[in-house]
Amino acid sequence: AQSVSQHNHHVILSEAASLELGCNYSYGGTVNLFWYVQYPGQHLQLLLKYFSGDPLVKGIKGFEAEFIKSKFSFNLRKPSVQWSDTAEYFCAVTVSSSARQLTFGSGTQLTVLP
Amino acid sequence: DVKVTQSSRYLVKRTGEKVFLECVQDMDHENMFWYRQDPGLGLRLIYFSYDVKMKEKGDIPEGYSVSREKKERFSLILESASTNQTSMYLCASSSPSGLAGQETQYFGPGTRLLVL
Repeated sequence: AQSVSQHNHHVILSEAASLELGCNYSYGGTVNLFWYVQYPGQHLQLLLKYFSGDPLVKGIKGFEAEFIKSKFSFNLRKPSVQWSDTAEYFCAVTVSSSARQLTFGSGTQLTVLP
Repeated sequence: DVKVTQSSRYLVKRTGEKVFLECVQDMDHENMFWYRQDPGLGLRLIYFSYDVKMKEKGDIPEGYSVSREKKERFSLILESASTNQTSMYLCASSSPSGLAGQETQYFGPGTRLLVL
């Protein structure tokens, strides 16, 4: 079965710092990759997703992610974080063998200090 | 906007009680899902449904059952609640688009269940 690893459990940054959250998956076939975000007190919502084509995808609020197939990675980046980016971020994947089942990583709590 | 609502935000139950968690979506989505969210474990899929009266087990179905009698409603049932089922429960829905597995899931606000 596929799995998703997010090695950073809690990241603390100051405003204007650059962000990179790691995400690695284990599956040798075709994958669809997602980043979801949960702001404090709000619903989990989609940040961005990658299916095929340009491996650099842009999402909402200035976030982007790069799919590197050789490294089984889909890291999330933002050049300059804001206090409002404080949230929990989840990487997730669907695979061809169980297409509708979204497998999530354990999440990364990002705290941005003003 | 897609709206997924869950019947309770907070729920306290006793061990052995039968617990019903209700989820309703207003966008005529075919797919509905139940997850539990635990610190350090992320979200884990309990059950999902592609259509009315249809259900499939996810990764952790033990101790749970589901019901989908109407397209917009998906219920999670804890037949006999136990303390290890204390958790945040999230419902989600999606509509088939493009290839399977590429759909965006829309989540409800969650129900925080405490089993004493």
